Amino acid sequence: GDSVTQMEGPVTLSEEAFLTINCTYTATGYPSLFWYVQYPGEGLQLLLKATKADDKGSNKGFEATYRKETTSFHLEKGSVQVSDSAVYFCARSPGGNQGGKLIFGQGTELSVKP
Amino acid sequence: NAGVMQNPRHLVRRRGQEARLRCSPMKGHSHVYWYRQLPEEGLKFMVYLQKENIIDESGMPKERFSAEFPKEGPSILRIQQVVRGDSAAYFCASSLRGETEAFFGQGTRLTVV
Repeated sequence: GDSVTQMEGPVTLSEEAFLTINCTYTATGYPSLFWYVQYPGEGLQLLLKATKADDKGSNKGFEATYRKETTSFHLEKGSVQVSDSAVYFCARSPGGNQGGKLIFGQGTELSVKP
Repeated sequence: NAGVMQNPRHLVRRRGQEARLRCSPMKGHSHVYWYRQLPEEGLKFMVYLQKENIIDESGMPKERFSAEFPKEGPSILRIQQVVRGDSAAYFCASSLRGETEAFFGQGTRLTVV
């Protein structure tokens, strides 16, 4: 079945370091791809999304590009801050008429040290 | 414009009791999704509902779990005869239409003792 695979955490970085969190997805259909962020004790917030191949989603300094040829949607940020410490989830939709029925990766915990 | 509201935020139940989790979607949204997040895991889809209809319940356990979204009032996820393995965070999301972006609530953290 459809799936999303993320790199395992936890990832620990120093402030202002470069961040990459890898995400790959199964290629059935024409999915939309998402990154969600979950701060401690909170729900999920949509960070960015891309709806078709070669689209780049961006928000708050984070970016991810929908790569159909490699079935990837890696999350990047040039300079992380302590406030970016959270769990990041990659997700795909099945496409079509079920935009809210998402398939999530297992999450990657990011810890940024001052 | 209030977001997706879930209550209670925290719920403690003894084994064998019933748990009722409520979700009020964003204003104007008629599509609701429930997810479960077990400790150290990602979110798993449970059920997709529209007003008065269950559209997709492929992720719901076959026994003890049920969901509804009545014409009036919030969506309810009901777990009967809870067991320790039901301890998890349960998240609700809503969308304007079936193919549009879903917005998540803050979740209900269920602890079964």
